[in-house]
Amino acid sequence: GAVVSQHPSWVICKSGTSVKIECRSLDFQATTMFWYRQFPKQSLMLMATSNEGSKATYEQGVEKDKFLINHASLTLSTLTVTSAHPEDSSFYICSAGTPGNEQFFGPGTRLTVL
Amino acid sequence: EDQVTQSPEALRLQEGESSSLNCSYTVSGLRGLFWYRQDPGKGPEFLFTLYSAGEEKEKERLKATLTKKESFLHITAPKPEDSATYLCAVQAANSGYALNFGKGTSLLVTP
Repeated sequence: GAVVSQHPSWVICKSGTSVKIECRSLDFQATTMFWYRQFPKQSLMLMATSNEGSKATYEQGVEKDKFLINHASLTLSTLTVTSAHPEDSSFYICSAGTPGNEQFFGPGTRLTVL
Repeated sequence: EDQVTQSPEALRLQEGESSSLNCSYTVSGLRGLFWYRQDPGKGPEFLFTLYSAGEEKEKERLKATLTKKESFLHITAPKPEDSATYLCAVQAANSGYALNFGKGTSLLVTP
């Protein structure tokens, strides 16, 4: 299957700082990428849909000014958590869609806000 | 509202003991139903996509089937390395390709 990478795999930051997470599709071009978050023992919840060259579409309840998404190229999308607080601590996972409608997920980024 | 319900929540099998996981769904126009495997602390690993009732797909010890209301993931003669959480997700025709996930079934296969 196709490969999606995320960086960093884990990050610890102080409350009030911003954190950027990168998602890359390594061997295919993804016109659409998705950002999910997953709390312990729970399933994945969609945060936003990111299309190359256009503004992201956020799910209800997700603050677009707090979770900034940029999809600058067909292989790279970034999620920036601005002014992070402890309640933002979670497992953030991106996925990339192929032209054949398969969705491949990255390995995830564990964010801990102190 | 689209809903995905997976059962059981947890399943413990002995090695070689075949079983099935269930994914019941309600969606306003199904574009696709996806199965993933997720190991602790890792991202989901793609297994299958099913598009229409009656469709079946197989991969090693796994076989996925689809009806108009539910999907089954059959595990034949499981091995300990099959232990993981299995996630089902639906993609609605009007969802813009986003996935709506169930809560998953945690499978433990003991030697």
